[in-house]
Amino acid sequence: QQPVQSPQAVILREGEDAVINCSSSKALYSVHWYRQKHGEAPVFLMILLKGGEQKGHEKISASFNEKKQQSSLYLTASQLSYSGTYFCGTEMAAGSSNTGKLIFGQGTTLQVKP
Amino acid sequence: KAGVTQTPRYLIKTRGQQVTLSCSPISGHRSVSWYQQTPGQGLQFLFEYFSETQRNKGNFPGRFSGRQFSNSRSEMNVSTLELGDSALYLCASSLAVTSEQYFGPGTRLTVT
Repeated sequence: QQPVQSPQAVILREGEDAVINCSSSKALYSVHWYRQKHGEAPVFLMILLKGGEQKGHEKISASFNEKKQQSSLYLTASQLSYSGTYFCGTEMAAGSSNTGKLIFGQGTTLQVKP
Repeated sequence: KAGVTQTPRYLIKTRGQQVTLSCSPISGHRSVSWYQQTPGQGLQFLFEYFSETQRNKGNFPGRFSGRQFSNSRSEMNVSTLELGDSALYLCASSLAVTSEQYFGPGTRLTVT
């Protein structure tokens, strides 16, 4: 039931945009996004709840498509500070044996170059 | 307020030994989750405790166990260590397991 993230890695130039996808084969209740810089702990970015809402802060936003059980993270006008590994964490909908816990994807490594 | 702390930060053990890792959550957080992070597997959920009760468990063998104390501090124990247990062990605290999680710096365990 681990969600699948794509792409596995992406290299950008400063100012370019990127999209990271997170897909699940199971019905989801929520999707979390975290960023982990090398040698540091993961840091929370945002949570999206069932209902298809889109969230964002500054130039990082995300959407949750309940029908497709997919979430996408959008990074616009990327900055050097965006470099790191992005993880999505999914919580299954009620009725699943995996309700109440976060299952993380394998991560997407993002490198922003000057 | 103070963040999540984990001790020790680094640990080297020999196969067959056991190890105990400690996690102190953010004050007021009652949920503590543990994850194993390896390069090939990403973040793997171990278990989650809330108010001293284990509410969820991941797909790890019984050698991995944990507990939570009345002050919300949590410990994780791995018995009969195997080489494959070498990993970064992260704990995260939150108000509820599915709300924003705050991760500690992790304990880097090396099994030789």
